[in-house]
Amino acid sequence: DTGVSQDPRHKITKRGQNVTFRCDPISEHNRLYWYRQTLGQGPEFLTYFQNEAQLEKSRLLSDRFSAERPKGSFSTLEIQRTEQGDSAMYLCASSRSTSYEQYFGPGTRLTVT
Amino acid sequence: DQQVKQNSPSLSVQEGRISILNCDYTNSMFDYFLWYKKYPAEGPTFLISISSIKDKNEDGRFTVFLNKSAKHLSLHIVPSQPGDSAVYFCAASDDISSGSARQLTFGSGTQLTVLP
Repeated sequence: DTGVSQDPRHKITKRGQNVTFRCDPISEHNRLYWYRQTLGQGPEFLTYFQNEAQLEKSRLLSDRFSAERPKGSFSTLEIQRTEQGDSAMYLCASSRSTSYEQYFGPGTRLTVT
Repeated sequence: DQQVKQNSPSLSVQEGRISILNCDYTNSMFDYFLWYKKYPAEGPTFLISISSIKDKNEDGRFTVFLNKSAKHLSLHIVPSQPGDSAVYFCAASDDISSGSARQLTFGSGTQLTVLP
């Protein structure tokens, strides 16, 4: 399977804990995106990378959120001091830098109790 | 302020008939549009797209129409099949000058149910 993969698929954590999610993009894609989706809404853009460079961040990405793509391959999204409002589906997508079409992974569902 | 709107949360269609899903946008800078399909517990799957220089794009049973003056696009599925039952998202980008999307702005989705 050469699609986008995400790990874990589900995460339950207590408020105040830190969590980290991983995304492995399609191997030939040099762009990687993070989105967040809440119930009844479409995905909302958080940030994107071209190779290892983080080129854009949404205002939705508070200081508690940090994303990395250290070698231009997989990426991690860390949320520090989680809050109940962070409960959502976190989606990763990848694309070629010459294409509009973004290909999504299955997402990580975060529940903060 | 929602820049991409899908005003119908749900749509039911009989198998074999046409499904028409609608999407409106407010940002006149949007110049590339995509439709995604999402099944439960899966990520969105790319379906079809259209550039603002076109008014129609067809791929098998799926056709997307773009009316720039009305800031409206629609997805037609003919004939509809039970396997098409899913949530459909409209998305838009304003990065046509770069040849790729930095980010996509999504609508809230329409749940399509195709009845056998």
